[in-house]
Amino acid sequence: DIQMTQSPSTLSASVGDRVTITCRASQSISGHLAWYQQKPGKAPKLLIYEASSLESGVPSRFSGSASGTEFTLTISSLQPDDFATYYCQQYNSYSSFGQGTKLEIK
Amino acid sequence: QVQLQESGPGLVKPSETLSLTCTVSGGSFTTYYWSWIRQPAGKGLEWIGRIDSSGSTHYNPSLKSRVTMSVDTSKNQFSLNLSSVTAADTAVYYCARQPRGGATYFDPWGQGTLVTVSS
Repeated sequence: DIQMTQSPSTLSASVGDRVTITCRASQSISGHLAWYQQKPGKAPKLLIYEASSLESGVPSRFSGSASGTEFTLTISSLQPDDFATYYCQQYNSYSSFGQGTKLEIK
Repeated sequence: QVQLQESGPGLVKPSETLSLTCTVSGGSFTTYYWSWIRQPAGKGLEWIGRIDSSGSTHYNPSLKSRVTMSVDTSKNQFSLNLSSVTAADTAVYYCARQPRGGATYFDPWGQGTLVTVSS
């Protein structure tokens, strides 16, 4: 099984901040990684797929990058709507998710 | 625009079988994979398994012994059965679509349905 280790588990930030969330895979996943945003009581929403491809309709302040088995989600300038929980997902070998990062208002 | 809707009992007794159905509307049913994912309250996401329109399945190894998925292409529906449930199976259950090929991310998702295991 491929394990996804996401960090930090909680992140406190302010509107306008640049934030980065990291996800590390236990083995190579060939860039087959997605990022999701989830708000309370709602289903996750796809933000990025194939590590760095922005889903249609997602604001350009969201970006993804990869270096080997380490993947990052960056929000360039936090907006009030961005405070949520974020998950990474690998789909190289079936599927598994990171533990989630809760982005809180500082 | 494709929409997914989960349906099924919200309360299941311990040791019984949890059964859910996902109905797909507004898009092709045959050219995608279809998955179930669950999320216990306050916790993370767990992929349960996927099925395609031919009925070919792949399950999470941790749940494989208790999971059965099926498909009804005439109704654009796919279903989940999870046997011998315990309180640990209490969760919001989501269905989701996956493109075929290399990029099998989940999009879109259903709204989710809460299933509670309790006597």
